[in-house]
Amino acid sequence: EAQVTQNPRYLITVTGKKLTVTCSQNMNHEYMSWYRQDPGLGLRQIYYSMNVEVTDKGDVPEGYKVSRKEKRNFPLILESPSPNQTSLYFCASSLGHNNEKLFFGSGTQLSVL
Amino acid sequence: GENVEQHPSTLSVQEGDSAVIKCTYSDSASNYFPWYKQELGKRPQLIIDIRSNVGEKKDQRIAVTLNKTAKHFSLHITETQPEDSAVYFCAASKGNFNKFYFGSGTKLNVKP
Repeated sequence: EAQVTQNPRYLITVTGKKLTVTCSQNMNHEYMSWYRQDPGLGLRQIYYSMNVEVTDKGDVPEGYKVSRKEKRNFPLILESPSPNQTSLYFCASSLGHNNEKLFFGSGTQLSVL
Repeated sequence: GENVEQHPSTLSVQEGDSAVIKCTYSDSASNYFPWYKQELGKRPQLIIDIRSNVGEKKDQRIAVTLNKTAKHFSLHITETQPEDSAVYFCAASKGNFNKFYFGSGTKLNVKP
């Protein structure tokens, strides 16, 4: 089944403790991206990747890192999480090239205490 | 950068009525405008999209219109049903940059 898999689904952590949210797609998509969803603000793009080893900042990249060492995986790394990073995070992928349809993962609800 | 504004933030309609959600964008270079539906606790899913070389697109009860001159686009849902209740997001993107700018969302409630 074609899908974008995110883990974990829920995560509670404390300020400063490094964490990684994984994202994997099995559709051979070139494009992958990360969004955070906050009430009243919609979806805001954190980082995106056009292909392996090609990443770029979205609108709200501060405090986040990403890597794209393989085509199927695009982990989101929070080196030193802070409470303002408490949010619902979505990974998404698409074929790329020309603004194709985004396929979203099931989301990760992160709480930073 | 691009700024996408979406209105209204909440919309309540009776089953069978029509619903219209409007978005404006600021960057005239934007050329791709998708709409996503997010049911409660679920992931966003694409329901319809339109490119800048088209003024209107329809898919059964859903239609999207685009006015490039005024830089606004709208989602129209006819004969609404309770299962249309969800949060709807518009978005804008341009070229091959694959940067997407989303609106703040509209919570649609269809009352039976």
